[in-house]
Amino acid sequence: QQKVQQSPESLTVSEGAMASLNCTFSDGTSNNFRWYRQHSAKGLEVLVSIFSDGEKEEGRFTAHLNRANLHVSLHIREPQPSDSAVYLCAVNQGGSAKLIFGEGTKLTVSS
Amino acid sequence: DAGVTQTPRHEVAEKGQTIILKCEPVSGHNDLFWYRQTKIQGLELLSYFRSKSLMEDGGAFKDRFKAEMLNSSFSTLKIQPTEPKDSAVYLCASRRQGSSYEQYFGPGTRLTVL
Repeated sequence: QQKVQQSPESLTVSEGAMASLNCTFSDGTSNNFRWYRQHSAKGLEVLVSIFSDGEKEEGRFTAHLNRANLHVSLHIREPQPSDSAVYLCAVNQGGSAKLIFGEGTKLTVSS
Repeated sequence: DAGVTQTPRHEVAEKGQTIILKCEPVSGHNDLFWYRQTKIQGLELLSYFRSKSLMEDGGAFKDRFKAEMLNSSFSTLKIQPTEPKDSAVYLCASRRQGSSYEQYFGPGTRLTVL
């Protein structure tokens, strides 16, 4: 069973400073990785999807995947207070459509 | 396109009641998912449908939870009977057929069981 863990649990950064979030997973056959953002009282919004090792950029959001190290990260360039939310990492269970979610990182961007 | 719609947004139930949550996926999406979200467990998959056929259900949720897809544009999640531990946010998501596509989530239904 896939295990997905995120760190840190919470993170505070100043507006404009880079924010880096981490996610580790246990199933090395996974090939489908996504980062979601959830503002309180709202649904999840997908930010970046990545399917192969390396980097994928979507606007200010960049995901880095290293499957050998069972690690995927999200970097947010020039974060703004409106980026304050919970960020969730999701990884598929190898060979399945099922996404397993991490417990989330609560990001606070102070102005 | 309209996003995923969920109703009601909030539901309060007494222990032992039957409640039905509703979801309308994005038009044209063939895959539909129900999740439960709690602070302790995070997001857990309850059910997954492809073209109205149940592909997967969360094993731990089988006894009191039943999801149905009555047609391609409407799904329900029935909890019967409810227990206080069912208090959570229930999220519905849909996507085009295939795991390479994004799942689009609805705003969720917050259920409180007294």
